[in-house]
Formats: sequence, structure tokens, C-alpha cells
Amino acid sequence: EDQVTQSPEALRLQEGESSSLNCSYTVSGLRGLFWYRQDPGKGPEFLFTLYSAGEEKEKERLKATLTKKESFLHITAPKPEDSATYLCAVPNFGNEKLTFGTGTRLTIIP
Amino acid sequence: KAGVTQTPRYLIKTRGQQVTLSCSPISGHRSVSWYQQTPGQGLQFLFEYFSETQRNKGNFPGRFSGRQFSNSRSEMNVSTLELGDSALYLCASSLDPGTSGNTIYFGEGSWLTVV
Repeated sequence: EDQVTQSPEALRLQEGESSSLNCSYTVSGLRGLFWYRQDPGKGPEFLFTLYSAGEEKEKERLKATLTKKESFLHITAPKPEDSATYLCAVPNFGNEKLTFGTGTRLTIIP
Repeated sequence: KAGVTQTPRYLIKTRGQQVTLSCSPISGHRSVSWYQQTPGQGLQFLFEYFSETQRNKGNFPGRFSGRQFSNSRSEMNVSTLELGDSALYLCASSLDPGTSGNTIYFGEGSWLTVV
């Protein structure tokens, strides 16, 4: 069965203090790895899909990378508006079921 | 382009009642999935529909059911509600299910409180 583990569970950073979130996974056949951002009371907002080891994608202050066993979401010089829960997920091989990690709750302090 | 739309956004039900939640996928998307999100269990897959057929089902009791209509809109139903069914119910849609590159988009969810 696919498994996804995220760490840390929560992270508090000062504005401008860069850091990384980790997502490690065990899947039978990787068909991609998704990163989502979720604000309180809202649905997950799609950020990135990564497909193969070595791939990187960027969006504003976020950069996602992928290895054969884990993915990192690097946050550079974060701002308070980057505060959210960040979720990673992998699709089941052959269907659309997503297995999610429990998320990292990120708080950026002004 | 409109996103995934879910109604109602908030509702309160009493134990033993049933509830129906509705989801309109992004235009052109034919795959619709449902998830339950709770603080303790995180996001859990309920079921997936494609072209009006349920293709996958998660590990939930038979009180949870769903269907998809010919226009791809979907509904899920929970019967005989229990306190533990209180959760955020999320609908997601995608264009090319089962393929690499298929992005799955979520709606804002329906908050269900069972009292």
C-alpha cells in the first residue's frame, strides 16, 4: 500500500527565513507526486506535480524537488501570506486515488 | 474558467439523519473523486467516478455512497449519520484519469457537522 510521510508536522519561521519541508513516499509505481497548499477552512490548492527523480519546479518563493524516495518543498524568503498547511500526495498506480501525507502546518511570523 | 464547485458549503445535521452533498467538476473533466478530511485522519479517499461509473472505493462503510450524472456532476450521500462523520468533504476533478500529467483539482469543500 502506498505511504506518504511529511515532516515536520509544524514549522514556525520568521519572515525571510528560508527552510524546507519534507515528503517521503513508498509507492508501487510512481505516477507523479503532487504538492498542494491548504488554507484553513478551504480545499487544497494545486501547486506542483513532479514526475521523475531530479525534476524541479518553481512558483514564486516555492521550489519543489523530487528524488527516488522523497520530495522537498523549499521556501525562500517566506512572507506571512505563505502561512498554510502544505500537503503532498501520490496517485495510486492505475487509478485516481490520492494518498496524502498528514501535512506540514507552516506559520510565517512577521 | 470555473473551478470545482461544491454545495452546500456548511451544514448541520442530527445523528441518524442523512445528507446529500453536490459537486460540479471543472468543465470538461469527467473524473470526480470524493475525500473526507478530519483533524485526526487527514484526507481519506472515499470513491471515484468516471463516466457515471464508480471505479474505486475507499475503506468506508456502506452508509457512504455516491453517484455521477451524465453531465459529470456528482453527489455523495451519507445515511444514518454518526457524530464521527463530522468532517470537511472534498470533491476533486480531473481531465485524464490514470495518465501521467493528470492534475487533480479540489473544490472548497462542504463542512458537515453532526450533532
